[in-house]
Amino acid sequence: DTGVSQDPRHKITKRGQNVTFRCDPISEHNRLYWYRQTLGQGPEFLTYFQNEAQLEKSRLLSDRFSAERPKGSFSTLEIQRTEQGDSAMYLCASSPKTSRSSYNEQFFGPGTRLTVL
Amino acid sequence: AQRVTQPEKLLSVFKGAPVELKCNYSYSGSPELFWYVQYSRQRLQLLLRHISRESIKGFTADLNKGETSFHLKKPFAQEEDSAMYYCALRALGGAQKLVFGQGTRLTINP
Repeated sequence: DTGVSQDPRHKITKRGQNVTFRCDPISEHNRLYWYRQTLGQGPEFLTYFQNEAQLEKSRLLSDRFSAERPKGSFSTLEIQRTEQGDSAMYLCASSPKTSRSSYNEQFFGPGTRLTVL
Repeated sequence: AQRVTQPEKLLSVFKGAPVELKCNYSYSGSPELFWYVQYSRQRLQLLLRHISRESIKGFTADLNKGETSFHLKKPFAQEEDSAMYYCALRALGGAQKLVFGQGTRLTINP
C-alpha cells in the first residue's frame, strides 16, 4: 500500500462540462475527506465520510458538487457544469478507524489539479 | 467560526539561524492544533500536533491559549527545512474537518 491515491492527477475541461475524480484511501482507513485548495490558499474542507456515510458537508459544496463512497472504500467527487472558479487542486485524505470523537492523522493524496477553460 | 491565520506568506532565513513560523487562531471552544508540511513535489504530511508535545525534525510548537497562537520554532534551520508549512485547527469534541491557514513558504538560504 503506497498511500492515498487519486485519479486523474490532472484534468483540463471546458466550462459547462462535468468531471469526476476518484480517491482510493489507505486500506482499512474508514474515514475519507475531500478538500479543495486554490492558488495561494490552504486546503479548504469540502466533505467527510465515515465508511459509506457522508457525515459533514461544507457550505462550499454547492448543488453542483456531489461526493459518494458507495462501499466504504474508494470515493468519487463529481462536479457538474464546471465553472472557471472551480479550478483548483482537489485533495483527498484518509484516516484510520478510531472512536468517533478522537482524532487520527489524516494522510493526504497527491491531489487532482482541475483547470476549467 | 474557526479561523487560522498565518501572517507571513514568505519567510527566508539563513542556514543555522533560528526559525519561527507564526500561527494565530480564532475559535471559541477547545481546539486541537497541527502543523502540516509540504516539501517540493511531495504530498501534504503531518509535522506535529500540540497534543503530542513532541519535537519533530527539531521543530517544536507550543499552544498558547491566552494569545491564541501556535507558533512553530526551530533553533537552527537546515536547508532541507525549505517547504510550505500550514497551520491547521480541529475543533475538539467530534468534528473531523481541519481548518487550514494560508500557509508560509519557508526558504532556507545556504
